[in-house]
Amino acid sequence: QKEVEQDPGPLSVPEGAIVSLNCTYSNSAFQYFMWYRQYSRKGPELLMYTYSSGNKEDGRFTAQVDKSSKYISLFIRDSQPSDSATYLCAMSVETSGSRLTFGEGTQLTVNP
Amino acid sequence: EPEVTQTPSHQVTQMGQEVILRCVPISNHLYFYWYRQILGQKVEFLVSFYNNEISEKSEIFDDQFSVERPDGSNFTLKIRSTKLEDSAMYFCASLGVRSEQYFGPGTRLTVT
Repeated sequence: QKEVEQDPGPLSVPEGAIVSLNCTYSNSAFQYFMWYRQYSRKGPELLMYTYSSGNKEDGRFTAQVDKSSKYISLFIRDSQPSDSATYLCAMSVETSGSRLTFGEGTQLTVNP
Repeated sequence: EPEVTQTPSHQVTQMGQEVILRCVPISNHLYFYWYRQILGQKVEFLVSFYNNEISEKSEIFDDQFSVERPDGSNFTLKIRSTKLEDSAMYFCASLGVRSEQYFGPGTRLTVT
């Protein structure tokens, strides 16, 4: 079983739609959860960062972590064509120094 | 806003040659990382570095790889004898105060 699983998509939605992106994981030691956005052949850009279970909101983005189910989500409200990118979930065990373990990434296209 | 920078953006080398990839992490960050992403695959951890020594390394990071912080600002990844399978995007990252990792734009390494 993979440590982190993410549906690679592709996912295509109309502008203004609510987008739901998800990852599951198997390592119960993961404590820190991140979502990155990656444009083609560019570096991952940090979008959201959460610790342990709970919700976090930042503008149109909401991150949810359910540690009991080993499931994390990213919601994008009022999606825009500029949101078209690959979204990567990533997680780590500890704070300082821990490696990030990434999902495969979900490719999202928002159509005008 | 401070950011991680990497040079060169694209490096082409012949099999068996040595390459050095360079990174300038965000000032005042103390942990540094190298990751790689083979085309179409997930981002994979290579090595973390703290206080002038390797903190953790993955099974990918074998004797052909080395890292160094030659001065107060640069962080380098050396591949001693490149193989075709080393062709990938290589990302440098540094750790922020909330334990979030910020990535550079990457160096695309092509081994021919």
